[in-house]
Amino acid sequence: EAQVTQNPRYLITVTGKKLTVTCSQNMNHEYMSWYRQDPGLGLRQIYYSMNVEVTDKGDVPEGYKVSRKEKRNFPLILESPSPNQTSLYFCASTRQGAVGANVLTFGAGSRLTVL
Amino acid sequence: QKEVEQDPGPLSVPEGAIVSLNCTYSNSAFQYFMWYRQYSRKGPELLMYTYSSGNKEDGRFTAQVDKSSKYISLFIRDSQPSDSATYLCAGRRTGGTSYGKLTFGQGTILTVHP
Repeated sequence: EAQVTQNPRYLITVTGKKLTVTCSQNMNHEYMSWYRQDPGLGLRQIYYSMNVEVTDKGDVPEGYKVSRKEKRNFPLILESPSPNQTSLYFCASTRQGAVGANVLTFGAGSRLTVL
Repeated sequence: QKEVEQDPGPLSVPEGAIVSLNCTYSNSAFQYFMWYRQYSRKGPELLMYTYSSGNKEDGRFTAQVDKSSKYISLFIRDSQPSDSATYLCAGRRTGGTSYGKLTFGQGTILTVHP
């Protein structure tokens, strides 16, 4: 089954404790992206990657890091989480092409709480 | 001002009603417009997209874009309880670093009751 898999789905952590949210896709998509979803603010892009070793900032990159060493994986790293990073996080991927960019496949989401 | 504005609702309608969901946007460079549906505890999934102005129909769903007024609409005919979800509109520019950069509205929560 074609899918984007995120882990963990739920996580409660404390301020300053480094964590990584993994994202993996099995569709051979070039493009991958991370979004966060907050009430009243909708989905906002954190980082995106056009291909292996190519990453760039989205709208809200502060406090996050990413890497793209393999095509299928795009982990999101919070080096020193803070309470304002409490949110619902989504990883998404899509293939290259003018139309492909519209058809994002999202993971099921990772709900993160930072105390 | 957000680039894409959407009334968060919630919107509650009886089964069989025609539902109208709307967004406005401010970025004149947007060329593609999308509607995503998100069920509770799930990721968003694409319903349909349109390019520039015009209508697009897919079964009970019709998407409309009016670029002159920067207005995006989604109509659901004969609504069903299974249509209960959050509906997200989005816009996208074309070319260059805008690839894959979707700008989403806040989402409208829709409930269709039997």
